[in-house]
Amino acid sequence: GENVEQHPSTLSVQEGDSAVIKCTYSDSASNYFPWYKQELGKRPQLIIDIRSNVGEKKDQRIAVTLNKTAKHFSLHITETQPEDSAVYFCAAYSNAGGTSYGKLTFGQGTILTVHP
Amino acid sequence: GAVVSQHPSRVICKSGTSVKIECRSLDFQATTMFWYRQFPKQSLMLMATSNEGSKATYEQGVEKDKFLINHASLTLSTLTVTSAHPEDSSFYICSATRDMNTEAFFGQGTRLTVV
Repeated sequence: GENVEQHPSTLSVQEGDSAVIKCTYSDSASNYFPWYKQELGKRPQLIIDIRSNVGEKKDQRIAVTLNKTAKHFSLHITETQPEDSAVYFCAAYSNAGGTSYGKLTFGQGTILTVHP
Repeated sequence: GAVVSQHPSRVICKSGTSVKIECRSLDFQATTMFWYRQFPKQSLMLMATSNEGSKATYEQGVEKDKFLINHASLTLSTLTVTSAHPEDSSFYICSATRDMNTEAFFGQGTRLTVV
């Protein structure tokens, strides 16, 4: 099955700096890669996603890059703000072999702290 | 985005009792629903995948007799934790998708405490 590795586990930056979180995946058939932000005790919220036919996607201060050959993808947050502090999860969506559905496999998460 | 509602948000039960958690997609028909378990400061671990009208598919290591999943309709899936024990205390969260390879929408999560 799919295995997703995420680094770093914790990331501390100063307000205004950039933050980068990296993930690798194992299943070359995975074709959809979302990033979620989760605040304590709340549900994960999708912040950006990318499909395997695209190398980069940007939405204001957030961007995601995908390298299919190397099987890794990264989240980039620029001009960080204290409200960006949360846990961020990457995920890879793969079709479960021989079935009609797919499933999301999550990375271990990164605790991002943005200091004012 | 679509809305997924999960209830209850918090539940405390006695050891040995069963607890049912509901996951509803409010404004779309969910072809597939997923159940996750999350321990403090850890990632979301997939427990099982639920398709309407068919048996759930459980991940390796998840006891299907302990975590009963029923997907009665395209908008409702339930997770029942049977004979709960303190080690079952955790944050349980569901998600639903309209189609394959698309955004998963999450419920609010259920904080289960077994005393």
